[in-house]
Amino acid sequence: SSELRQPPSVSVSPGQTASITCSGDNLGEKFVSWYQQKPGQSPVLVMYQDKKRPSGIPDRFSGSNSGTTATLTISGTQSMDEADFYCQTWDSNFVLFGGGTKLTVL
Amino acid sequence: QITLKESGPTLLKPTQTLTLTCAFSGFSLTTSGEGVGWIRQPPGKALEWLALVYWNDDKHYSPSLHNRLTITKDPSNTRVVLTMTNMDPVDTATYFCTHNIRSTWAWFDPWGQGTLVTVSS
Repeated sequence: SSELRQPPSVSVSPGQTASITCSGDNLGEKFVSWYQQKPGQSPVLVMYQDKKRPSGIPDRFSGSNSGTTATLTISGTQSMDEADFYCQTWDSNFVLFGGGTKLTVL
Repeated sequence: QITLKESGPTLLKPTQTLTLTCAFSGFSLTTSGEGVGWIRQPPGKALEWLALVYWNDDKHYSPSLHNRLTITKDPSNTRVVLTMTNMDPVDTATYFCTHNIRSTWAWFDPWGQGTLVTVSS
């Protein structure tokens, strides 16, 4: 069955650019969504259809998807961006989530 | 504004059946395209999709759990119920319900606050 692979952790310095990847078979042929989850909170949608930002999500968040890898990019990363991030797509009628990436801002 | 809230038992014994309710507002499950999904997260682990139900009663289940899950729309069309049979300690998790609009590559937004279910003898 299909799976989505994410690096367990990514570290970035404040003000720098963070890139969080999500890999899967032919992922570029699918649309990917991304969720941010801060400790003790529910996930929040931060990107859908690869590169569309929901209302209220800062424009420092951007997304791309090509080949086998989707990427969530956070420009000018702030301490408030520290969280776990999950990618999500579909395989036929089944929902797939990535294993999650812990973003540390230090 | 769409809101969802999960409710159900906090503690179960192994082999018992879990019944969770998602009460929602801000949309109607009688409207074409609308859906509600369940997703869980074991402590310290990743999200795992469980089930989805749509306005037309179309239902989808996780392949690995489908034989234990049932998702139903309450006749009031303001609640969705998830049952999971034969609970095991590995099913200990926070269970979230979430709103979904049917499309080929649908996303989940927003999410409920989640409810922690512990399975222990």
